[in-house]
Amino acid sequence: ETGVTQTPRHLVMGMTNKKSLKCEQHLGHNAMYWYKQSAKKPLELMFVYNFKEQTENNSVPSRFSPECPNSSHLFLHLHTLQPEDSALYLCASSQVKGASTRANVLTFGAGSRLTVL
Amino acid sequence: AQKITQTQPGMFVQEKEAVTLDCTYDTSDQSYGLFWYKQPSSGEMIFLIYQGSYDEQNATEGRYSLNFQKARKSANLVISASQLGDSAMYFCAMREGRPGNTPLVFGKGTRLSVIA
Repeated sequence: ETGVTQTPRHLVMGMTNKKSLKCEQHLGHNAMYWYKQSAKKPLELMFVYNFKEQTENNSVPSRFSPECPNSSHLFLHLHTLQPEDSALYLCASSQVKGASTRANVLTFGAGSRLTVL
Repeated sequence: AQKITQTQPGMFVQEKEAVTLDCTYDTSDQSYGLFWYKQPSSGEMIFLIYQGSYDEQNATEGRYSLNFQKARKSANLVISASQLGDSAMYFCAMREGRPGNTPLVFGKGTRLSVIA
């Protein structure tokens, strides 16, 4: 257990479905992230939230909609996805502010493996 | 241009031997951080080791050490006394700028297989 929990671990959905991925961190961190990991590609940063405010949206299609109701929870709402969106979606958290050289050490969850049919 | 380059898609190492995983990076910032993560088949990314751009000594964490060569912009991971449980994907990552400013950028990874 890393302190970052993602649910569900596996999700299969059709292109017309609406589903959500959930991430919860118990580390007292103030930043949360969504990354997408596709086969044979580097991890792609999707969204960043610092203190519940979205600070980065890395040109992600609008069919992915993030929500961060508080600094411990992060959601990724999915609707009308495409088969190429099938991937492992990783949530991470970090402590952004502070002089520690360990700042921005991301702690990851185990991921949600999404398959779009 | 890629920020992080890992040129070895796959590596094999004999159990109890040492192995070096290569990583080169590209940045014009003077302040940056370099990270290595391990991803076993379970999917979770596990933080291994960190090196700051101003750190004069190479970072070490147990069996992991980072061979930091600033002029060559390389940050190779050395795993000593390999164990079967070290078999996994290994990712090099970089944070540009001062701590806390920017998220991490990752390389494509190297798959390490430890042979008994």
